Amino acid sequence: EIVLTQSPATLSLSPGERATLSCRASQSVSSYLAWYRQKPGQAPRLVIYEASNRATGIPARFSGSGSGTDFTLTISSLEPEDFAVYYCQQRSNWPLTFGGGTKVEIK
Amino acid sequence: EVQLLESGGGLVQPGGSLRLSCAASGFTFSSYAMNWVRQAPGKGLEWVSSVTDSGDSTYYADSVKGRFTLSRDNSKNTVYLQMNSLRAEDTAVYYCAKAASGYYYFDYWGQGSLVTVSS
Repeated sequence: EIVLTQSPATLSLSPGERATLSCRASQSVSSYLAWYRQKPGQAPRLVIYEASNRATGIPARFSGSGSGTDFTLTISSLEPEDFAVYYCQQRSNWPLTFGGGTKVEIK
Repeated sequence: EVQLLESGGGLVQPGGSLRLSCAASGFTFSSYAMNWVRQAPGKGLEWVSSVTDSGDSTYYADSVKGRFTLSRDNSKNTVYLQMNSLRAEDTAVYYCAKAASGYYYFDYWGQGSLVTVSS
């Protein structure tokens, strides 16, 4: 099973600041990685797929990068709706796995 | 508009059974893999199971293998998760999720169905 480790666990930032979230895989997943945003009480929403492609309706302030074992989700300027928990997920191998999540909170 | 509507959750005793349903609309159901992802209270996301568009193949997390069965009825645009031998650790919100085209990522999610396993 591929283990995804996300860091940091919590990121405290102010609106307008840049957020950088990390996801590290226990073995290579090529570019087969996605990112989701989950707001409290809601279902997750797909943000990035195949490491760097924005999902439908996702604004340009979100970008993804990386391949192999190290991936980054960057939010260039935080909006109020971006304060949430973010998860990465790999589709390289069964079982599909998620990272433990990074909470982006208001400082 | 894509909609996924889960039903069938509730309270069940340890060792009991429950069947979740997910009724889909707004897309060509038979063309997409379907999935279940769960989230225990206050915890992260855990993939549970996936079924291919035709229903020919299914995949399971080790934690549910042999106890859960995923199936689909393309004539009814519905997927079913039969959960047997339920344990306290199966307590979670269960989300039905549509696979993105060609990929096992989840581009649409239902609102979730709470399953509580407790005596």
